[in-house]
Amino acid sequence: GQQVMQIPQYQHVQEGEDFTTYCNSSTTLSNIQWYKQRPGGHPVFLIQLVKSGEVKKQKRLTFQFGEAKKNSSLHITATQTTDVGTYFCAGPSGGYQKVTFGTGTKLQVIP
Amino acid sequence: GAVVSQHPSWVICKSGTSVKIECRSLDFQATTMFWYRQFPKQSLMLMATSNEGSKATYEQGVEKDKFLINHASLTLSTLTVTSAHPEDSSFYICSAPSKGEGRAREQFFGPGTRLTVL
Repeated sequence: GQQVMQIPQYQHVQEGEDFTTYCNSSTTLSNIQWYKQRPGGHPVFLIQLVKSGEVKKQKRLTFQFGEAKKNSSLHITATQTTDVGTYFCAGPSGGYQKVTFGTGTKLQVIP
Repeated sequence: GAVVSQHPSWVICKSGTSVKIECRSLDFQATTMFWYRQFPKQSLMLMATSNEGSKATYEQGVEKDKFLINHASLTLSTLTVTSAHPEDSSFYICSAPSKGEGRAREQFFGPGTRLTVL
């Protein structure tokens, strides 16, 4: 079946440093979504990428979809303590609206 | 964004009992809802797709007789964990896709239900 892997699994950064998480799918994706889950909370939708090579920005967050539509990345510039959480990518997995979540990257920001 | 609620937010029960978890879409209708399970420090694993007015579709390895799903209305789906055992202890989260055009839509998640089986 489809597998969506993310690296790294954990990342500790000093506040102000940059952070990047990478998402790799075993199959080509029609789109990729990104979610953030705060500790003890539920996933919250961040963004969706559809086009090959697409790059989208949300303030300090930059999302990229690979040319082959099998990988994606999320880059956070100058991290803040509010960025703490686990970031998941998610790709469609067959069936109406079904998605497969990546393994996630847990970000810890040291003040 | 749309709001999805879950009840209860946490539950502790004895082994062998059944637990019902409700998932409601508060400000929109959801013909499809999804149920996930998340173990500590792990990702979300899709358990089943809840379909309004028809049987749920279960993922491979998920026992449909143990995890009963009922989607009785356009705003409510329920997950009943029957004869719960300690290994069923987990964080159960439901989601509903947003309305809109196209196949790919964002998922709105409920706040989750933490189940502890003693």
